Amino acid sequence: DVQLVESGGGLVQPGGSLRLSCAASGFTFGTYWMSWVRQAPGKGLEWVANINEDGTEKYYVDSVKGRFTISRDNSKNSLHLQTNSLRAEDTAVYFCARAPYYYDSSAYYNPWFDCWGQGTLVTVSS
Amino acid sequence: SYELTQPPSVSVSPGQTARITCSGDALPKKYAFWYQQKSGQAPVLVIQEDSKRPSGIPERFSGSSSGTVATLTISGAQVEDEADYYCYSTDSSGNHGGVFGGGTKLTVL
Repeated sequence: DVQLVESGGGLVQPGGSLRLSCAASGFTFGTYWMSWVRQAPGKGLEWVANINEDGTEKYYVDSVKGRFTISRDNSKNSLHLQTNSLRAEDTAVYFCARAPYYYDSSAYYNPWFDCWGQGTLVTVSS
Repeated sequence: SYELTQPPSVSVSPGQTARITCSGDALPKKYAFWYQQKSGQAPVLVIQEDSKRPSGIPERFSGSSSGTVATLTISGAQVEDEADYYCYSTDSSGNHGGVFGGGTKLTVL
């Protein structure tokens, strides 16, 4: 069975940093795009970042560009999200998700999410 | 920025059919995906590529898409189907990301 287990969340002051991790098992990790999706308390889901199979392509939602960095270590079946310059509005549960994709008629890459971890809570507060 | 619009809430009695809609301008050219999220749990994929049901999802869950509206239908809703449901899709810009609808709280009672 596919398993994704996040870690690294916690309480951090505004302007601080956290490194989130996701341990993957049950599938060939290096053959899938991976993503981070977050959910603020009592709010909806928001896609945060994607990374391709070998880590050479990375994409981010506008609100985290320049502050967050997604990375992966295929030798350790692990996904990471380095979060810097954290703001109160970054407070959320961060989910790791496996991201299959399809190409549309314009040859654009379209990711979606088929398996999710249980999430790790990041709280940004003084 | 691209938006997907869902009704905030839908309520049905057990055994009735629940329909949750998702509106988006790019849906004629993009697939819709549906996720179920029960309180305190991770989302679960219930419909992929507009109408395909993943392995392990009950047959009462189905999906369709016509024009700018995608619909999740739960035929004979059960009490255990009570959850938040989110649609997801991508826009036409090719920005390699996607958006979720605001979510619909399904109440079955």
